[in-house]
Amino acid sequence: NAGVMQNPRHLVRRRGQEARLRCSPMKGHSHVYWYRQLPEEGLKFMVYLQKENIIDESGMPKERFSAEFPKEGPSILRIQQVVRGDSAAYFCASSPRDSGCEQYFGPGTRLTVT
Amino acid sequence: GQQLNQSPQSMFIQEGEDVSMNCTSSSIFNTWLWYKQDPGEGPVLLIALYKAGELTSNGRLTAQFGITRKDSFLNISASIPSDVGIYFCAGQEWDFGNEKLTFGTGTRLTIIP
Repeated sequence: NAGVMQNPRHLVRRRGQEARLRCSPMKGHSHVYWYRQLPEEGLKFMVYLQKENIIDESGMPKERFSAEFPKEGPSILRIQQVVRGDSAAYFCASSPRDSGCEQYFGPGTRLTVT
Repeated sequence: GQQLNQSPQSMFIQEGEDVSMNCTSSSIFNTWLWYKQDPGEGPVLLIALYKAGELTSNGRLTAQFGITRKDSFLNISASIPSDVGIYFCAGQEWDFGNEKLTFGTGTRLTIIP
């Protein structure tokens, strides 16, 4: 059973460009979560999605950030007009419907804004 | 919002020693999780705790869910080199639509040769 997959693992963008981060949850998992981690810090929640629905986006910046989890395909975290402060590691986690608690993380995407 | 205080921030130990770290919260959680993160990788789930007072083991790791539901600890016995990394606690309120994890600040474990 493949784990949570994220791509790309590393992404470099210039200020003002768009960043698209992809996450494929574990097989059979229908809940996806995105977290951001700055160096030497813990992970901070951004958004929680189920298929075609955003359940909780309380940790997502109001501007420039958006997330989706379509019926088919991976979940996408999109950052428009990136700024240097967006540089961080972005992790996706998934959980099975009938668990609701344990979240399994992917390897992350390290975004560097130059 | 929720805050988790994790201590110690870092530990320097010799191989074979036991390790203990803990997390305290300003409010109640219904679930506590412990993760380990290696450099450049995502967190790996070590132990999940679901009930106040619960004591759970996973090999050399033992974790407990505090009675007040505001704290948890993780013990590692007889440490080995592959235990090096950053350990994070995470709490979850587990209400519908509120399943996000709140993470502690991490404990960095280093083994001195």
